[in-house]
Amino acid sequence: AQSVTQPDIHITVSEGASLELRCNYSYGATPYLFWYVQSPGQGLQLLLKYFSGDTLVQGIKGFEAEFKRSQSSFNLRKPSVHWSDAAEYFCAGGGGLTGGGNKLTFGTGTQLKVEL
Amino acid sequence: NAGVTQTPKFQVLKTGQSMTLQCAQDMNHNSMYWYRQDPGMGLRLIYYSASEGTTDKGEVPNGYNVSRLNKREFSLRLESAAPSQTSVYFCASRFDGTRNQPQHFGDGTRLSIL
Repeated sequence: AQSVTQPDIHITVSEGASLELRCNYSYGATPYLFWYVQSPGQGLQLLLKYFSGDTLVQGIKGFEAEFKRSQSSFNLRKPSVHWSDAAEYFCAGGGGLTGGGNKLTFGTGTQLKVEL
Repeated sequence: NAGVTQTPKFQVLKTGQSMTLQCAQDMNHNSMYWYRQDPGMGLRLIYYSASEGTTDKGEVPNGYNVSRLNKREFSLRLESAAPSQTSVYFCASRFDGTRNQPQHFGDGTRLSIL
């Protein structure tokens, strides 16, 4: 079965520190992978996406993610976190003949807290 | 630049009442989706619509009905609300041109059922 796992429910980092949020996927073929961010009381905003090509993808707000097939991972990174990055982050995946960005499976989310 | 608009933003219902959540998108997208978000469970797909006039069940369709009124609008109806349907509901839309197109989300409807 296709699945997306975010092992960390909560993460706390200091402002200016680096950040890595973990995402593991389980798909038979090359998956389509997305990272979304949700600020309190808001909808989900797309940070970046991967479907083929370069395994390191750049997104908005200084985020990047690396696709590692051997580890079934698509971890989100940022070199220096800002207080405004405090939010909940969701990894999502799709795949198969009718998949891609159509039928997504979401991880359970990682809540990021930034200490000043 | 409205994107995906959901109404209402907040609603409180009593058990057994009915309610329709509205969603409209102005991006000329083909596909539309309804999700519910519960703490610790991420987003779960309730129903989706690949085009006007077509709808399909998602992971958690029980207790819900949907209508794709036209290309812009996709409504979600609770016929007899239950406390287990207390949740945040998100509508999303997507352009189907290529498989890597992402879904775009509204700001959600926060629904409480007493």
